[in-house]
Amino acid sequence: KQEVTQIPAALSVPEGENLVLNCSFTDSAIYNLQWFRQDPGKGLTSLLLIQSSQREQTSGRLNASLDKSSGRSTLYIAASQPGDSATYLCAATNTGGFKTIFGAGTRLFVKA
Amino acid sequence: SQTIHQWPATLVQPVGSPLSLECTVEGTSNPNLYWYRQAAGRGLQLLFYSVGIGQISSEVPQNLSASRPQDRQFILSSKKLLLSDSGFYLCAWDRGGAGNEQYFGPGTRLTVT
Repeated sequence: KQEVTQIPAALSVPEGENLVLNCSFTDSAIYNLQWFRQDPGKGLTSLLLIQSSQREQTSGRLNASLDKSSGRSTLYIAASQPGDSATYLCAATNTGGFKTIFGAGTRLFVKA
Repeated sequence: SQTIHQWPATLVQPVGSPLSLECTVEGTSNPNLYWYRQAAGRGLQLLFYSVGIGQISSEVPQNLSASRPQDRQFILSSKKLLLSDSGFYLCAWDRGGAGNEQYFGPGTRLTVT
């Protein structure tokens, strides 16, 4: 049974700092791994999706990596801004392609 | 462009009452559709997914059911709500097939009193 863990649960950093959010999963037989952002009381916004055959994806100041063999993914945020404050969720989809397991999220606060 | 709608945005219902939450997707055909629940302080839990009209897969045995009467319509229902059904319900879609990027709706906040 797939389990997804995110560390840390919460993070507070000053504006401008580069930071890394961690995600680990127990079953390496995944179809893909996706990172989302969730603002309080809102739905999820897709940030990056990494297919199982890929090692990383980049979008603007965001870079996500995937290491299937170790069961880990990281989300790197460069030059953080107060607008980056949100909860970041990672999610692993199984090899069937439909069952997605989410981590509990990392709550990020970027101080101005 | 594609858009996903959910309604209502918030709902307060007494224990034992019925429930119907609706989700519709615009701008795409034959999407996969998903219902998730996010309980307070917990991660998202997949409840149901559908790969086509009338095709529903249930992931968690519980008090809820789902239906897909039209290609881009997904409904979450209950005949009698429990207190434990309270939570934030999110609908999502992807473009069909397996393992594609999922896009989420704005969610419905359900409080069972």
